Amino acid sequence: ETGVTQTPRHLVMGMTNKKSLKCEQHLGHNAMYWYKQSAKKPLELMFVYSLEERVENNSVPSRFSPECPNSSHLFLHLHTLQPEDSALYLCASSQDRASGGYEQYFGPGTRLTVT
Amino acid sequence: KQEVTQIPAALSVPEGENLVLNCSFTDSAIYNLQWFRQDPGKGLTSLLLIQSSQREQTSGRLNASLDKSSGRSTLYIAASQPGDSATYLCAGGGLNDYKLSFGAGTTVTVRA
Repeated sequence: ETGVTQTPRHLVMGMTNKKSLKCEQHLGHNAMYWYKQSAKKPLELMFVYSLEERVENNSVPSRFSPECPNSSHLFLHLHTLQPEDSALYLCASSQDRASGGYEQYFGPGTRLTVT
Repeated sequence: KQEVTQIPAALSVPEGENLVLNCSFTDSAIYNLQWFRQDPGKGLTSLLLIQSSQREQTSGRLNASLDKSSGRSTLYIAASQPGDSATYLCAGGGLNDYKLSFGAGTTVTVRA
């Protein structure tokens, strides 16, 4: 489908659970992004990593914790979430600014439901 | 702060009609504008990217234009087909940051 994969595709978790979302890109990009898409709202940027360094943190609550161990992998660790955190979580990648790349490529998303 | 607006929120047309989707943005310092397609419950598929030095991009039946002075971008889809039914999103980015500011999208239904 695309060069960006995400697992799991669907996740149901209770408010006391800890889970992680995984993203992998096979495009040789060096910037990766987490977005949140809630019903009837525009996509919200959560985090950006460039060359494994976090370069953007968009005032996201600490119950969301990103990790980027290398330029191909990105994780979003979740703990003590709230029902309003239920949404589609999308991962994207691009070349970083220094490389002159701007086009973002998205994965299929993880549909998260917090009960 | 860049704000992106897409009007209308929804559009229904008969098959074969040309589609015109509008996107407006508040900050003319926009550096690039990207159009995406999203099918229900799925991720985003990049359709076209227009960079600052360009005024339009074309791919098959799709053509996107960018007018920074008026703060507008338009996506044209020629001879629409039922398979074009989806939500179309536009997003603008600045030169020196990683952020893409997204519109809320236009949901298109092409009736057979």
